[in-house]
Amino acid sequence: QVQLVQSGAEVKKPGASVKVSCKASGYPFTSFYIHWVRQAPGQGLEWMGLINPGGGPTPYAYKFQDRLVITMDTSTGTFYMDLSSLRPDDTAVYYCARSPSGGYDFWGQGTLVTVSS
Amino acid sequence: IVLTQSPGTLSLSPGERATLSCRASQSIDSAYLAWYQQKPGQAPRLLIYGTPRRAAGIPDRFSASGSGTDFTLTITRLEPEDFAVYYCQQYATSSWTFGQGAKVEI
Repeated sequence: QVQLVQSGAEVKKPGASVKVSCKASGYPFTSFYIHWVRQAPGQGLEWMGLINPGGGPTPYAYKFQDRLVITMDTSTGTFYMDLSSLRPDDTAVYYCARSPSGGYDFWGQGTLVTVSS
Repeated sequence: IVLTQSPGTLSLSPGERATLSCRASQSIDSAYLAWYQQKPGQAPRLLIYGTPRRAAGIPDRFSASGSGTDFTLTITRLEPEDFAVYYCQQYATSSWTFGQGAKVEI
């Protein structure tokens, strides 16, 4: 069955970086885009960016363009979201999600990143 | 593209009909509009994609429609498990965006 399994919760200080992983299994991972979406406590969903495992551009949301990097390890089917220069308002649950032709049909379980001094 | 959902909160009873609105800041093709349901502590669940297509396993009491800048999610005959937060999402551009969410409460 399709699974996206994310790494565990993180606590970071302001100014640090965090790298969250998302391991795909149960499907040909090169065939579907992976997106990253975050949700601050009590807030709505915020799209961050995507990666095309087959290659091509990796668009990011404008507000993250200077501190977000999304990558993948093709040998393991693991996707990574690296966010730098963390601020307290980056505290959120970060999700990876699979996109077939539109929308997200499978989601990771979410990773809580807490930014606090 | 900014998506604005209304109302922010809808207070209804089981068995009633819920109508949620999603307005886009510019015209988008309905084929690039999706709807999600989210319950506390859970990841969102895809309900509708390429409006009006229902995702796998979604009951037919959920339907979506719309065109241009105005889109609607309708839930006929609310079941107790339908009380949740609903989000619309557009993927017509390379920068996907969500609406701010709308809560359906008892």
